[in-house]
Amino acid sequence: QKEVEQNSGPLSVPEGAIASLNCTYSDRGSQSFFWYRQYSGKSPELIMSIYSNGDKEDGRFTAQLNKASQYVSLLIRDSQPSDSATYLCAVNGGTGRRALTFGSGTRLQVQP
Amino acid sequence: DAGVIQSPRHEVTEMGQEVTLRCKPISGHDYLFWYRQTMMRGLELLIYFNNNVPIDDSGMPEDRFSAKMPNASFSTLKIQPSEPRDSAVYFCASSLSPLEETQYFGPGTRLLVL
Repeated sequence: QKEVEQNSGPLSVPEGAIASLNCTYSDRGSQSFFWYRQYSGKSPELIMSIYSNGDKEDGRFTAQLNKASQYVSLLIRDSQPSDSATYLCAVNGGTGRRALTFGSGTRLQVQP
Repeated sequence: DAGVIQSPRHEVTEMGQEVTLRCKPISGHDYLFWYRQTMMRGLELLIYFNNNVPIDDSGMPEDRFSAKMPNASFSTLKIQPSEPRDSAVYFCASSLSPLEETQYFGPGTRLLVL
């Protein structure tokens, strides 16, 4: 089992729809969770971080964390073609490890 | 702030040659990370430093890879000798300590070993 798992996609949604991206992790000691967006040929950039159970909203983005089920998700409302990218889920190593473990990413395609 | 700076942005070399990648973290960041990204393996952590000291190098693939951080504003990742399977994008990232865990990535170095 991979430490951080994501569906590779592509996930295709029409413009204006809600895109839902999911991630599961194996280390129950993990404490910090991140979503990074990576455009083709570019470096990852942070979209959202979440540390406690529940929802965290930032503009069109909502991160959801459920530690009991060991999953974290990202919702993108009113999806735009400019949201088309690969979304990487990242989890800290737990037990104070500062290094992040990344999932393989989900490619999102927003159709105009 | 200029962000994380990496050089060179692109590198093409022949098998057996030495390759040196460079990174300047964001000023004031105490943690520096080196990652490698390939289609097959995704984004992998190679090594990370805290206050210039290597903390975890378990991701370094083999002895051909070495990394140094002689001061707070500079780090190198060296591959000697390089092999075609080392072809990848190498990212450097930095973050604050102790509460801020967000990592900020540099633009990456695209390495092609022929």
